[in-house]
This record gives sequence, C-alpha cells and structure tokens, in this order.
Amino acid sequence: GAGVSQSPSNKVTEKGKDVELRCDPISGHTALYWYRQRLGQGLEFLIYFQGNSAPDKSGLPSDRFSAERTGESVSTLTIQRTQQEDSAVYLCASSPSPLPGAYEQYFGPGTRLTVT
Amino acid sequence: DQQVKQNSPSLSVQEGRISILNCDYTNSMFDYFLWYKKYPAEGPTFLISISSIKDKNEDGRFTVFLNKSAKHLSLHIVPSQPGDSAVYFCAASANDYKLSFGAGTTVTVRA
Repeated sequence: GAGVSQSPSNKVTEKGKDVELRCDPISGHTALYWYRQRLGQGLEFLIYFQGNSAPDKSGLPSDRFSAERTGESVSTLTIQRTQQEDSAVYLCASSPSPLPGAYEQYFGPGTRLTVT
Repeated sequence: DQQVKQNSPSLSVQEGRISILNCDYTNSMFDYFLWYKKYPAEGPTFLISISSIKDKNEDGRFTVFLNKSAKHLSLHIVPSQPGDSAVYFCAASANDYKLSFGAGTTVTVRA
C-alpha cells in the first residue's frame, strides 16, 4: 500500500516568489497535518485538517502561508512571497483519526525548500 | 517556546550495547508520548508510544520509560544494531491532534 507522498522532493526558489507544496495522504485517512523542520530544530506544527476543513491554523507563521485540502485527499501548502527564513523541510502527515492516542501519524518524506 | 526538549543532539554506541535517549517536557497537560525514528531523506516513522497512565511500555528491543513527576521520558534500545542508526524524535500530545516534537537525537551504532 502507498504511504504518504509529497512533491516536489526539493524546491529551490528565489526570494519573493510563490511556491506550492503538495501532499497525497494515505487513502482513507481523514486527518492531515503539515509540519516544518528548520535546520537543527524539531518539527513545528503548521496546520491540521479534519476532512476538508482546517479547524486549527494556529501554527501558520504568517499570512503568507495558506493551505487547502480537496476531496478529503490531496493538500497543498502555498507560501507567497517567500523569504529566506522559510527555508526548511516541510513534512506532511496523515492519520485515520486525529487522536494520537488511537493512531500515530504517518509522515511523508518531506519537501526541502531552499529560498535564495 | 520549546515544550519538548532533547538535550543530547547525538549519541554514539557500540553494537550490542544499550542506547538510552532522553527527553524532557514542560507542559503538564501532555498525556501521550511517542518516539519517532527518521532515516535520511525519509519521513519520521512511528516507533513506540506511552500513555501517561503507564510508566513503561516495551516492544521488542525498544522500551520507553515515563517519569511524570520529573516530566521526563527515555527510550532504551537493547541491544543496539547498526540499522538503529538514525535520528530519533520525542513527541508529546495533550490528548489532541497536535504533536510537539523535540529537536531530535542522532544515534550512531558502531560495529
């Protein structure tokens, strides 16, 4: 069975450009999460989707960041007017249920974003 | 504000010996704890978890210990094998969807 996939695996962009990162969760998983990992730091929660709605966007660092999910499947994380501090690995995870006590989160391989 | 801390960025251990990874947390609302393992160019994979109602959970070579009063947990790997070389993340949850992660400990198992 397919795991969580993310594309692109690597993205280099110039400061000020917009980027779109894609996540394909495991089929049937209702919960989807985006995290960011900066160099030498732990994973930082960005946003959580339950189905197609995002009840918690509290982790998004600024209004340049947005995310959507369609068809209870694919999710896209968009970063507008990228800045150098946006450089990080962006990880997507999914789970059958939002409760970590019931199910662990399954992670994709991440997208390494470099803003020059 | 780092609520989960892994103070040892790296650990080197000889094959066959015990690896002990430590994790401290500050949020007393955390009630579920997980360890994830990550190889280069891959996403983290779930390893083992423990609920706050327990103080120990064992799965094969992996055992997690929880000391709630000290807000401390540890992961023991016995015996360590070369395939255990990876980055290990400690994570915690306050009974909701949000996981707070530590910065990770890189384990190197020497032959």
